[in-house]
Amino acid sequence: NAGVTQTPKFQVLKTGQSMTLQCAQDMNHEYMSWYRQDPGMGLRLIHYSVGAGITDQGEVPNGYNVSRSTTEDFPLRLLSAAPSQTSVYFCASSSAGGPNSPLHFGNGTRLTVT
Amino acid sequence: SQQGEEDPQALSIQEGENATMNCSYKTSINNLQWYRQNSGRGLVHLILIRSNEREKHSGRLRVTLDTSKKSSSLLITASRAADTASYFCATDAGGGSEKLVFGKGTKLTVNP
Repeated sequence: NAGVTQTPKFQVLKTGQSMTLQCAQDMNHEYMSWYRQDPGMGLRLIHYSVGAGITDQGEVPNGYNVSRSTTEDFPLRLLSAAPSQTSVYFCASSSAGGPNSPLHFGNGTRLTVT
Repeated sequence: SQQGEEDPQALSIQEGENATMNCSYKTSINNLQWYRQNSGRGLVHLILIRSNEREKHSGRLRVTLDTSKKSSSLLITASRAADTASYFCATDAGGGSEKLVFGKGTKLTVNP
């Protein structure tokens, strides 16, 4: 049982480049979410999904796109990377809505934009 | 804006002592959760307490919730060096929101 798997673990991008952060879970969880963590800022919610085909914005959605075509996968796309998007990104899932049951986190993707 | 705010920002204690961390939030909630994060890793869920509960225990962890004061506390008893981590509280954003919003965390250091 792998839980929540994030790839890649590390990534360096140049300003303006695009990339997709992958997130997959094997627990058949309906709820999935993306957070970014910056020093002194805690975790901030980027986007979340309550099920396949449904996504919604979190606290800091600008510059990021998501889609949820399957229950298992929830990729996060950076369309045109900016230095302000340098951060550690965490994907998480839960069996019920985010506030109503424990979130299971991946180990994160550390992104640097130069 | 963030819902939960932890206090203190950092806490340093000796092994065997108790550690208490506090969380205050702004609007009515349905649940409050506590998480631990070891350096460089993802967060691990510790306890979920519902708004109609006042206290919950899990091993050496004790969580209290005071909805009238909009605050919660996490007590770790008989701390160990392995408890060194950052601890976060998280709440729903209010109004039936599906969002789980985190505070900035308390960094706990347990000295051997």
